Amino acid sequence: NAGVTQTPKFRVLKTGQSMTLLCAQDMNHEYMYWYRQDPGMGLRLIHYSVGEGTTAKGEVPDGYNVSRLKKQNFLLGLESAAPSQTSVYFCASSYRPTGELFFGEGSRLTVL
Amino acid sequence: SQQGEEDPQALSIQEGENATMNCSYKTSINNLQWYRQNSGRGLVHLILIRSNEREKHSGRLRVTLDTSKKSSSLLITASRAADTASYFCATDDTGGFKTIFGAGTRLFVKA
Repeated sequence: NAGVTQTPKFRVLKTGQSMTLLCAQDMNHEYMYWYRQDPGMGLRLIHYSVGEGTTAKGEVPDGYNVSRLKKQNFLLGLESAAPSQTSVYFCASSYRPTGELFFGEGSRLTVL
Repeated sequence: SQQGEEDPQALSIQEGENATMNCSYKTSINNLQWYRQNSGRGLVHLILIRSNEREKHSGRLRVTLDTSKKSSSLLITASRAADTASYFCATDDTGGFKTIFGAGTRLFVKA
């Protein structure tokens, strides 16, 4: 079992460029989450999904879009990257709401 | 805004000592979780305690929950150098779909 896999692991963007982070889980979990982690800030929830075809906003959704077209995949998009979006992004999934979260290894994004 | 806040922000102890980390939160919860993060890695779930539980054990870990004080503590007994990591508490939001994390405690265990 791979668990939760994030791609890419590292990416450098220029301001204004767009990109998509992919999260894939093989545990048949309904619930999926995107967090960002900044020094001294802990993890902040960007968007989440309670099932295929659903998405909802978290604490810091501005500047990001998400899609959950397939149950096993949760995509996080940046349409026009800004330096403030430089961060480490973590995807997580769970089998029930607010249950144990299974995390990916993170995607480190730098926006110049 | 963050639901949970850990204290202390950083903790340095000798191998073999106990490490205690505290978490305070603001609103009513259904459960509280603790996670560990090694440097450069993803978070790993340690333990979940429900709002109707007061104490829970898992190996060298002991978690307590005081809902009247809206606080929890994580005790790691007989710490090892391998316990060096950041530890986060996480609580559910009032809507019941989201897990919100605190800023974490950085633990350094000296060999």
